[in-house]
Order: sequence, then structure tokens, then C-alpha cells
Amino acid sequence: QAGLTQPPSVSKGLRQTATLTCTGNSNNVGNQGAAWLQQHQGHPPKLLSYTNNNRPSGISERLSASRSGNTASLIITGLQPEDEADYYCSAWDSSLSAWVFGGGTKLTVL
Amino acid sequence: QVQLVESGGGVVQPGRSLRLSCAASGFTFSSYAMHWVRQAPGKGLEWVAFISYDGSNKYYADSVKGRFTISRDNSKNTLYLQMNSLRVEDTAVYYCTREVYGFDIWGQGTMVTVSS
Repeated sequence: QAGLTQPPSVSKGLRQTATLTCTGNSNNVGNQGAAWLQQHQGHPPKLLSYTNNNRPSGISERLSASRSGNTASLIITGLQPEDEADYYCSAWDSSLSAWVFGGGTKLTVL
Repeated sequence: QVQLVESGGGVVQPGRSLRLSCAASGFTFSSYAMHWVRQAPGKGLEWVAFISYDGSNKYYADSVKGRFTISRDNSKNTLYLQMNSLRVEDTAVYYCTREVYGFDIWGQGTMVTVSS
């Protein structure tokens, strides 16, 4: 099953803004949007955002999500050391009748 | 508090079977769809299987279709994954996760190692 496309790594400085992208097609991201998850080494993933810019309670307002066509984005402002983690996007694919994940982006805060 | 606890992982030879369990607590388990998601060592997340809140709908990744079966017992607040004909490439941490628009609650995972 084809997955979503994410850049393998992004590096940004402390207090800068990082934009992580996730590209799919009209059957997944372009149809129902994407959810975003954060995973720190050795821990389970944590949901950051769903159906684009909806944040679960407790998620920092420094995080926001958007979608343009078949590409979803996660924007993290005012980067902090604790933002250094792996970030995954996921979406329901209506043509595959399956959920698909991106390969993940490793965010490094310099 | 809301919690998912997986169990049943271990080391198994190729071709053998294993059943994973996921015990839910702190929420009305029977109201939520559930998934299994796995992560091979050093790799990304891979969706494995979905089951609707009442067990009437199930979906599987192509990589496990015909070998794995997802099920649930709402009276026991427990999700299961029966894994048959295991392959070396099934080696991974297996997470159960709750479905609310996204995967909102995750367990700590249980490690499955398939090796001869």
C-alpha cells in the first residue's frame, strides 16, 4: 500500500519556525485531510492534530496544521528543545480502504 | 485514567502464531473503533488493522491480509490481534490505538520478534 511522502529530516534553530509537509493524493490527504503525530525516541506516538487544524486538548498552540490540495502541513512556531522528535502524518485512503502513514520526518532543533 | 495496555508479545519462529491483547480502561471501550499499528526496529509507523466499535467492520493492510485477524470483546474491554504464519518481516513493536478522527490514545506497545 502506497504511503504518504514526508521529507526524512528537517533542521531549524531554537525559537525558529518549522514547516513539515506530507504529500498524498486525492484519495487520502486531498479527500479527508491528514492527522499528525509526534514520537519521541522510546515512546509511543502522540496525536497532535486531526482533520487538519483540530488539536486535542493539551497540545501546544505553537502547533498548527493546514492543507492545500494533496499536501498537508504542520507548522511549529517558537521551536523548543522538546520539539525535537519524529513526526508522522496519517490519512484514510478511500481507494485502498486502508489507513496510510508517511515515512516520518526527524525534526532537529539546533 | 484513559489507558491501553498491550500484552502477548515475545519471540516466535517463522510460520508460528501469536495472539496479542490490548486491555482498555478509563473510557467506554464499546463506543470506539480501534486499530493495531506496528513499528519495526528503527523504522516508521505501519498501520496493520482496524475494527469498528461493534466489530462489524474490519480492514487490514495488504501485508497482513489473510494472516492476521483483529477482534474485540466489548464485555472484557479487550482488543485482540491473532497473528498466524508469522514472517521475519513482522518483527516490530505492536501498538493498539483508539480511533477518534485520528489515533488519539496509544498503548506502550508489545514487542514481537520473529526469528529462527
